[in-house]
Amino acid sequence: DSGVTQTPKHLITATGQRVTLRCSPRSGDLSVYWYQQSLDQGLQFLIQYYNGEERAKGNILERFSAQQFPDLHSELNLSSLELGDSALYFCASSVGQGANWPLHFGNGTRLTVT
Amino acid sequence: GENVEQHPSTLSVQEGDSAVIKCTYSDSASNYFPWYKQELGKGPQLIIDIRSNVGEKKDQRIAVTLNKTAKHFSLHITETQPEDSAVYFCAAKFDFGNEKLTFGTGTRLTIIP
Repeated sequence: DSGVTQTPKHLITATGQRVTLRCSPRSGDLSVYWYQQSLDQGLQFLIQYYNGEERAKGNILERFSAQQFPDLHSELNLSSLELGDSALYFCASSVGQGANWPLHFGNGTRLTVT
Repeated sequence: GENVEQHPSTLSVQEGDSAVIKCTYSDSASNYFPWYKQELGKGPQLIIDIRSNVGEKKDQRIAVTLNKTAKHFSLHITETQPEDSAVYFCAAKFDFGNEKLTFGTGTRLTIIP
């Protein structure tokens, strides 16, 4: 068990809808990362927050947004959903700010857009 | 740019034999190279990492080697066991304005009993 909790485990929704994925980091970790994993794209980095502030941005679409709250949990909001957004979304946490700290991944949220 | 190439994409080995997975990276300034193992239905789990100031690191049956000149690093698993069956991802840290970890495309390792 990594100590990172993601909810929900599964989400099925229709095109055009909006969903929110939630992540609780491992106790003591200040950084939260969001990754998208699809069959043909591997693990794609979306965004990182450190202690409530956006730290780094990857290939995150404008339809997607995230935030990290004072209690350090994070939410990833996906809107105007398209079929191609179907994927596994992982949250990971680490203790430090930089990218050379070990990442601890949750078990992901599987999003299916129909 | 930020690029990590991983080979092979699939690998089958007999139980007890060794498995080797290789990755190359594009930025000579990269200095952190972790390996993650992902089992079915779970998130990736860090199994070993190496920093650029060393050439090799071992942890029981797992070892990682780094060749900075050639910009490649490899994962070696010896005496493979059925529980080693999983997808393995290499990664490299890039810093182009902000640090981020870029992952390879993964290797599906199957151990044949």
